[in-house]
Amino acid sequence: QVQLQESGPGLVKPSETLSLTCTVSGGSINSGSYYWNWIRQPAGKGLEWIGRIYSSGDTKYNPSLKSRVTISGDTSKNKFSLKLNSVTAADTAVYYCARESPYFWGGYWDNYYLDVWGKGTTVTVSS
Amino acid sequence: QSVLTQPPSVSGAPGQRVTISCTGNSSNIGAGFHVLWYQQVPGTAPKLLIYAYNNRPSGVPDRFSGSKSGTSASLAITGLQAEDEADYYCQSFDSGSSVLFGGGTKVTVL
Repeated sequence: QVQLQESGPGLVKPSETLSLTCTVSGGSINSGSYYWNWIRQPAGKGLEWIGRIYSSGDTKYNPSLKSRVTISGDTSKNKFSLKLNSVTAADTAVYYCARESPYFWGGYWDNYYLDVWGKGTTVTVSS
Repeated sequence: QSVLTQPPSVSGAPGQRVTISCTGNSSNIGAGFHVLWYQQVPGTAPKLLIYAYNNRPSGVPDRFSGSKSGTSASLAITGLQAEDEADYYCQSFDSGSSVLFGGGTKVTVL
């Protein structure tokens, strides 16, 4: 059974770079047709998709965050990472990593759902 | 401001039926992209509840059902139970393959 675990500093200073890692166990990040996502949730607010990396290494980012986000994968350690630069207080949130898996529908395996989530890690941006 | 619009809250007594709407547009739900629903109990990660409009992963009770019409989708909970008190999020995609979430709906069991 695949499990995801986020890790990284819980406190980041304004204007600095937020760096988080998601460790994947029970499965490989470079096998299969999976996307590996980062999603965040400010306290008391809704979910915001940050971006994803495919098993091939291709990435896709939320247009509203694209200029500040980098998602990368480390297949040797079976981890993928998030870097968000020039952070402000608005970036304070719980950050989740999640696997996006294909499912069969209408004769194709080209639809996806977020089926495995990490427990989330809280990041506060403050001086 | 989320691209997918949900009511902030709905409530119902135990045993009642409640519905949560998710309104998109012709670039997402109306374009045929699937709608998924997630349940989030406070303090925990979201859990997949419905996929492909009205399919449930194993373990999800059949009192949860989904539907879609035009540019909107809905989640219905029949026979509301105390354990259903949670936040519910719809999710879809846009033509650029970006993941879109609704703003979330808090379900209160009276």
